[in-house]
Amino acid sequence: DIQVTQSPSTLSASVGDRVTITCRASQSISNWLAWYQQKAGKAPKLLIYKASNLESGVPSRFSGSGSGTEFTLTISSLQPDDFATYYCQYYNTYSPRWTFGQGTKVEVK
Amino acid sequence: QVQLQESGPGLVKPSETLSLTCSVSGGSISSYYWSWIRQSPGRGLEWIGYIHYSASTNQNPSLKSRVTISLDTSNNQFSLKLKSMTAADTAVYYCARAQSRFEYGGNTGGFDIWGQGTMVTVSS
Repeated sequence: DIQVTQSPSTLSASVGDRVTITCRASQSISNWLAWYQQKAGKAPKLLIYKASNLESGVPSRFSGSGSGTEFTLTISSLQPDDFATYYCQYYNTYSPRWTFGQGTKVEVK
Repeated sequence: QVQLQESGPGLVKPSETLSLTCSVSGGSISSYYWSWIRQSPGRGLEWIGYIHYSASTNQNPSLKSRVTISLDTSNNQFSLKLKSMTAADTAVYYCARAQSRFEYGGNTGGFDIWGQGTMVTVSS
Protein backbone atom coordinates (compact mmCIF):
# COMPACT_ATOMS: atom_id res chain seq x y z
CA ASP A 1 0.00 0.00 0.00
CA ILE A 2 1.14 3.54 -0.75
CA GLN A 3 1.74 5.64 2.35
CA VAL A 4 1.79 9.42 2.61
CA THR A 5 3.97 11.09 5.23
CA GLN A 6 3.60 14.70 6.27
CA SER A 7 6.23 16.94 7.80
CA PRO A 8 6.59 18.63 10.12
CA SER A 9 3.99 17.38 12.58
CA THR A 10 3.94 20.79 14.27
CA LEU A 11 4.99 24.15 12.90
CA SER A 12 5.29 27.37 14.91
CA ALA A 13 4.83 30.54 12.88
CA SER A 14 3.81 34.20 13.09
CA VAL A 15 1.26 36.18 11.17
CA GLY A 16 2.79 37.21 7.85
CA ASP A 17 5.18 34.25 7.66
CA ARG A 18 5.52 32.09 4.59
CA VAL A 19 4.63 28.55 5.63
CA THR A 20 5.43 25.33 3.78
CA ILE A 21 4.17 21.85 4.62
CA THR A 22 5.49 18.76 2.84
CA CYS A 23 3.80 15.48 1.98
CA ARG A 24 5.82 12.55 0.63
CA ALA A 25 4.39 9.43 -0.96
CA SER A 26 6.09 6.06 -0.69
CA GLN A 27 5.84 5.72 -4.48
CA SER A 28 4.68 7.87 -7.36
CA ILE A 29 1.07 9.01 -7.14
CA SER A 30 1.15 11.37 -10.13
CA ASN A 31 -0.86 14.39 -8.98
CA TRP A 32 -3.57 12.57 -7.03
CA LEU A 33 -3.11 14.61 -3.89
CA ALA A 34 -5.41 16.92 -1.96
CA TRP A 35 -4.88 19.26 0.97
CA TYR A 36 -7.32 20.11 3.75
CA GLN A 37 -7.55 22.58 6.61
CA GLN A 38 -9.23 21.50 9.83
CA LYS A 39 -10.13 23.59 12.83
CA ALA A 40 -11.04 22.21 16.23
CA GLY A 41 -14.48 20.64 16.31
CA LYS A 42 -15.05 21.10 12.58
CA ALA A 43 -14.90 18.90 9.52
CA PRO A 44 -11.89 19.21 7.23
CA LYS A 45 -12.16 21.78 4.44
CA LEU A 46 -10.81 21.08 0.97
CA LEU A 47 -8.14 23.61 -0.05
CA ILE A 48 -6.29 22.05 -2.98
CA TYR A 49 -7.15 19.15 -5.30
CA LYS A 50 -5.04 17.34 -7.88
CA ALA A 51 -1.91 18.71 -6.20
CA SER A 52 -2.15 22.29 -7.42
CA ASN A 53 -5.75 23.28 -8.09
CA LEU A 54 -7.24 25.81 -5.69
CA GLU A 55 -10.74 24.92 -4.53
CA SER A 56 -13.36 27.56 -5.20
CA GLY A 57 -13.56 30.16 -2.45
CA VAL A 58 -10.16 29.37 -0.95
CA PRO A 59 -7.89 32.42 -0.59
CA SER A 60 -5.11 32.72 -3.14
CA ARG A 61 -2.44 32.79 -0.42
CA PHE A 62 -2.83 28.99 -0.39
CA SER A 63 -1.04 27.09 -3.13
CA GLY A 64 -0.07 23.51 -3.81
CA SER A 65 2.72 22.08 -5.91
CA GLY A 66 4.48 18.84 -6.72
CA SER A 67 3.95 15.59 -8.53
CA GLY A 68 5.18 12.04 -8.23
CA THR A 69 6.31 11.55 -4.65
CA GLU A 70 6.85 15.03 -3.20
CA PHE A 71 4.24 17.70 -2.65
CA THR A 72 4.03 20.98 -0.80
CA LEU A 73 1.30 23.20 0.56
CA THR A 74 2.37 26.82 0.86
CA ILE A 75 0.68 29.68 2.68
CA SER A 76 2.30 32.79 1.27
CA SER A 77 1.48 35.11 4.17
CA LEU A 78 0.00 33.44 7.23
CA GLN A 79 -3.20 35.06 8.49
CA PRO A 80 -4.79 34.72 11.95
CA ASP A 81 -7.52 32.50 10.51
CA ASP A 82 -4.91 30.05 9.17
CA PHE A 83 -3.84 28.60 12.52
CA ALA A 84 -5.23 25.10 12.17
CA THR A 85 -4.25 21.53 11.33
CA TYR A 86 -3.51 20.64 7.71
CA TYR A 87 -3.79 17.21 6.11
CA CYS A 88 -2.70 15.81 2.81
CA GLN A 89 -4.66 12.97 1.25
CA TYR A 90 -3.85 10.56 -1.56
CA TYR A 91 -6.43 9.09 -3.93
CA ASN A 92 -5.75 5.67 -5.38
CA THR A 93 -7.52 5.68 -8.72
CA TYR A 94 -7.20 1.94 -9.25
CA SER A 95 -9.19 0.76 -6.22
CA PRO A 96 -10.57 3.51 -5.58
CA ARG A 97 -9.27 4.23 -2.12
CA TRP A 98 -8.25 7.26 -0.08
CA THR A 99 -5.38 7.68 2.42
CA PHE A 100 -4.73 10.65 4.70
CA GLY A 101 -1.46 11.98 6.04
CA GLN A 102 -0.90 12.33 9.76
CA GLY A 103 -1.49 16.09 9.86
CA THR A 104 0.53 19.24 10.52
CA LYS A 105 -0.56 21.60 13.26
CA VAL A 106 0.27 25.24 12.54
CA GLU A 107 0.49 27.05 15.86
CA VAL A 108 1.31 30.54 17.05
CA LYS A 109 5.02 31.14 17.56
CA GLN B 1 -26.03 24.04 -1.92
CA VAL B 2 -25.50 20.39 -1.08
CA GLN B 3 -25.38 19.57 2.63
CA LEU B 4 -24.70 16.33 4.46
CA GLN B 5 -25.99 15.34 7.88
CA GLU B 6 -24.97 12.27 9.84
CA SER B 7 -27.41 10.60 12.23
CA GLY B 8 -27.15 7.65 14.56
CA PRO B 9 -26.44 6.63 18.14
CA GLY B 10 -23.72 8.37 20.10
CA LEU B 11 -23.07 5.35 22.29
CA VAL B 12 -22.56 1.77 21.21
CA LYS B 13 -21.76 -1.26 23.38
CA PRO B 14 -18.70 -3.40 22.67
CA SER B 15 -19.37 -6.19 20.15
CA GLU B 16 -22.48 -4.46 18.83
CA THR B 17 -23.02 -3.05 15.33
CA LEU B 18 -22.84 0.68 14.64
CA SER B 19 -25.46 2.02 12.20
CA LEU B 20 -25.12 5.54 10.82
CA THR B 21 -27.03 7.35 8.10
CA CYS B 22 -25.97 10.33 6.01
CA SER B 23 -28.79 12.44 4.59
CA VAL B 24 -28.01 14.44 1.44
CA SER B 25 -29.96 17.66 0.95
CA GLY B 26 -29.82 20.35 -1.72
CA GLY B 27 -28.80 17.96 -4.47
CA SER B 28 -29.06 14.46 -5.83
CA ILE B 29 -27.13 11.48 -4.54
CA SER B 30 -26.57 10.41 -8.14
CA SER B 31 -23.30 10.73 -10.04
CA TYR B 32 -20.91 10.90 -7.09
CA TYR B 33 -18.79 8.76 -4.80
CA TRP B 34 -20.00 8.96 -1.18
CA SER B 35 -17.66 8.06 1.66
CA TRP B 36 -17.49 7.49 5.37
CA ILE B 37 -14.41 8.81 7.18
CA ARG B 38 -13.60 8.72 10.87
CA GLN B 39 -11.22 10.58 13.13
CA SER B 40 -9.86 9.63 16.51
CA PRO B 41 -6.97 11.17 18.45
CA GLY B 42 -4.88 8.08 18.13
CA ARG B 43 -5.52 7.27 14.47
CA GLY B 44 -6.05 10.63 12.76
CA LEU B 45 -8.31 10.72 9.71
CA GLU B 46 -9.16 7.27 8.40
CA TRP B 47 -11.15 6.56 5.27
CA ILE B 48 -13.66 3.77 5.96
CA GLY B 49 -15.25 3.13 2.60
CA TYR B 50 -17.30 4.48 -0.28
CA ILE B 51 -20.40 3.78 -2.28
CA HIS B 52 -21.01 5.05 -5.80
CA TYR B 53 -24.46 5.84 -7.12
CA SER B 54 -24.03 2.80 -9.36
CA ALA B 55 -23.92 0.84 -6.05
CA SER B 56 -20.26 -0.16 -6.42
CA THR B 57 -18.41 -0.08 -3.11
CA ASN B 58 -14.94 -0.43 -1.66
CA GLN B 59 -13.67 -0.42 1.90
CA ASN B 60 -10.44 0.25 3.74
CA PRO B 61 -8.68 -3.13 3.85
CA SER B 62 -8.12 -2.70 7.60
CA LEU B 63 -11.91 -2.60 8.16
CA LYS B 64 -13.22 -4.49 5.12
CA SER B 65 -14.60 -7.53 6.93
CA ARG B 66 -16.66 -5.39 9.31
CA VAL B 67 -18.00 -2.68 6.97
CA THR B 68 -21.19 -2.50 4.94
CA ILE B 69 -22.16 0.65 3.05
CA SER B 70 -25.51 0.96 1.32
CA LEU B 71 -27.41 3.53 -0.73
CA ASP B 72 -31.05 4.62 -0.51
CA THR B 73 -31.64 6.74 -3.59
CA SER B 74 -35.36 7.18 -2.91
CA ASN B 75 -34.53 8.99 0.33
CA ASN B 76 -31.25 10.54 -0.84
CA GLN B 77 -29.33 8.77 1.91
CA PHE B 78 -26.46 6.38 2.36
CA SER B 79 -25.60 4.32 5.39
CA LEU B 80 -22.74 2.69 7.26
CA LYS B 81 -22.81 -0.48 9.32
CA LEU B 82 -19.69 -1.37 11.29
CA LYS B 83 -19.80 -4.72 13.08
CA SER B 84 -18.09 -5.94 16.23
CA MET B 85 -17.38 -2.51 17.67
CA THR B 86 -14.53 -2.09 20.17
CA ALA B 87 -13.12 0.85 22.09
CA ALA B 88 -10.69 1.39 19.21
CA ASP B 89 -13.68 2.36 17.04
CA THR B 90 -14.49 5.33 19.26
CA ALA B 91 -14.21 8.33 16.94
CA VAL B 92 -15.96 11.17 15.17
CA TYR B 93 -17.60 9.72 12.06
CA TYR B 94 -18.01 11.91 8.97
CA CYS B 95 -19.81 11.38 5.71
CA ALA B 96 -18.35 13.14 2.69
CA ARG B 97 -18.77 13.59 -1.04
CA ALA B 98 -15.91 13.02 -3.46
CA GLN B 99 -15.53 16.02 -5.71
CA SER B 100 -16.34 15.56 -9.39
CA ARG B 101 -15.22 18.03 -12.04
CA PHE B 102 -16.14 17.65 -15.71
CA GLU B 103 -12.88 19.24 -16.83
CA TYR B 104 -10.94 16.49 -15.04
CA GLY B 105 -13.05 13.64 -16.34
CA GLY B 106 -14.92 13.17 -13.08
CA ASN B 107 -13.50 12.36 -9.66
CA THR B 108 -10.67 14.72 -8.66
CA GLY B 109 -9.77 12.66 -5.58
CA GLY B 110 -10.70 15.27 -2.99
CA PHE B 111 -13.69 15.45 -0.68
CA ASP B 112 -15.44 18.76 -1.26
CA ILE B 113 -18.48 18.42 0.98
CA TRP B 114 -18.49 16.99 4.51
CA GLY B 115 -21.09 16.45 7.17
CA GLN B 116 -20.53 18.06 10.54
CA GLY B 117 -19.51 14.74 12.07
CA THR B 118 -21.04 12.64 14.80
CA MET B 119 -19.18 11.41 17.87
CA VAL B 120 -19.51 7.68 18.52
CA THR B 121 -18.30 6.22 21.80
CA VAL B 122 -17.94 2.50 22.38
CA SER B 123 -18.54 1.66 26.01
CA SER B 124 -20.58 -0.71 28.11
